[in-house]
Amino acid sequence: KNQVEQSPQSLIILEGKNCTLQCNYTVSPFSNLRWYKQDTGRGPVSLTIMTFSENTKSNGRYTATLDADTKQSSLHITASQLSDSASYICVVSEVGDYKLSFGAGTTVTVRA
Amino acid sequence: KAGVTQTPRYLIKTRGQQVTLSCSPISGHRSVSWYQQTPGQGLQFLFEYFSETQRNKGNFPGRFSGRQFSNSRSEMNVSTLELGDSALYLCASSLSVLTDSIAYNEQFFGPGTRLTVL
Repeated sequence: KNQVEQSPQSLIILEGKNCTLQCNYTVSPFSNLRWYKQDTGRGPVSLTIMTFSENTKSNGRYTATLDADTKQSSLHITASQLSDSASYICVVSEVGDYKLSFGAGTTVTVRA
Repeated sequence: KAGVTQTPRYLIKTRGQQVTLSCSPISGHRSVSWYQQTPGQGLQFLFEYFSETQRNKGNFPGRFSGRQFSNSRSEMNVSTLELGDSALYLCASSLSVLTDSIAYNEQFFGPGTRLTVL
């Protein structure tokens, strides 16, 4: 069964600090991995999409890395802001892209 | 372009009733997927429609059904509501993206419909 595991489940950081979220997956055959940000009560918004040939991608203060050999990805948030408080969801797609496997998400709380 | 819209945004129903949720995808997107999101289970895939045909289906009981119209708008219906159906129901429309190495569907989510079953 294809699985996506995210850690930590939640974390609290001070404004201005950095943090890193982890995503491990067993999805095979692998097509692409996505990171979404979901604010409370709203739909997820795509941050990055990486295919197997990419090992890093940035979107502003968000940087995602991918190691397709070890089936691990991370999302690094630099100089956190209060608006970064949200749930971050890792989603992995099989080849054919018809089946997506979702992680449970990491809830990030940024405090002033 | 306008984003994915979902109506209604909030809904309160009682057990045994049925409910219909609506989703209008981004103009030009032909694929619409539905998801159920609960605090304990995260996002769970319900089904996907493409050109009015159900292309993929998750592991939900037959009480959950959907359809897609010729204009790509989609509806999801839940019959005989149970307390456990209380959730945020998300719709996503997809755009096919072709890169040098691979093709994939980029999903754009709507704001969701918050369903509460009493």
